[in-house]
Amino acid sequence: EVQLLESGGGLVQPGGSLRLSCTASGFTFSRFAMSWVRQAPGKGLEWVSAISGNGGTTYYVDSVKGRFTISRDNSKNTLYLQMNSLRAEDTAVYYCAKEAAPGGFDPWGQGTLVAVSS
Amino acid sequence: QTVVTQEPSFSVSPGGTVTLTCGLTSGSVSTRYYPSWYQQTPGQAPRTLIYSTNTRSPGVPDRFSGSILGNKAALTITGAQADDESHYYCVLYMGSGISVFGGGTKLTVL
Repeated sequence: EVQLLESGGGLVQPGGSLRLSCTASGFTFSRFAMSWVRQAPGKGLEWVSAISGNGGTTYYVDSVKGRFTISRDNSKNTLYLQMNSLRAEDTAVYYCAKEAAPGGFDPWGQGTLVAVSS
Repeated sequence: QTVVTQEPSFSVSPGGTVTLTCGLTSGSVSTRYYPSWYQQTPGQAPRTLIYSTNTRSPGVPDRFSGSILGNKAALTITGAQADDESHYYCVLYMGSGISVFGGGTKLTVL
């Protein structure tokens, strides 16, 4: 069974940093691109970032470029999202997802909450 | 800037059929956008229904189907059930690794 488990969320002050992790199991991790998707409280879903299977190519939504860095360690079956210079508008539940196809996220993790507040 | 559009809300009667759509503010949706669909109930992670236009995620009943209708992607639910009442989101792949979500449709079954 494919499983994704996020961790690393929490409360952080504006301007602070946080690193999210997503541990994968049940599939050959290195063969698949992975994405992070977030959902602000009471809002819709927003794609944030993606990374190719070998980690060589990364993509970001404009609002996080230069602040967030996606990476992966295929030896540990783990996906990361390093978030710097956090803003109140980054407050959201962050989900990791395996890309079954371009733009096709399947399955999803259970999510981890990031709250940016003073 | 191109925006992905969805109906904000829709309602369907139990046992009925409903088609939700996913469009672009500029241009037509085709299979090259690899449209996908997700169901989400409050407090839960999204559940994948359809990706690559019409590929059903394992375990998703065939009451859910995806297609291209005219210039939009479409999700059709037949034999609507009470537990289909959820938010439904579409995603369009814009190329160069970029995916964009629609604003979501709140489906009511009544």
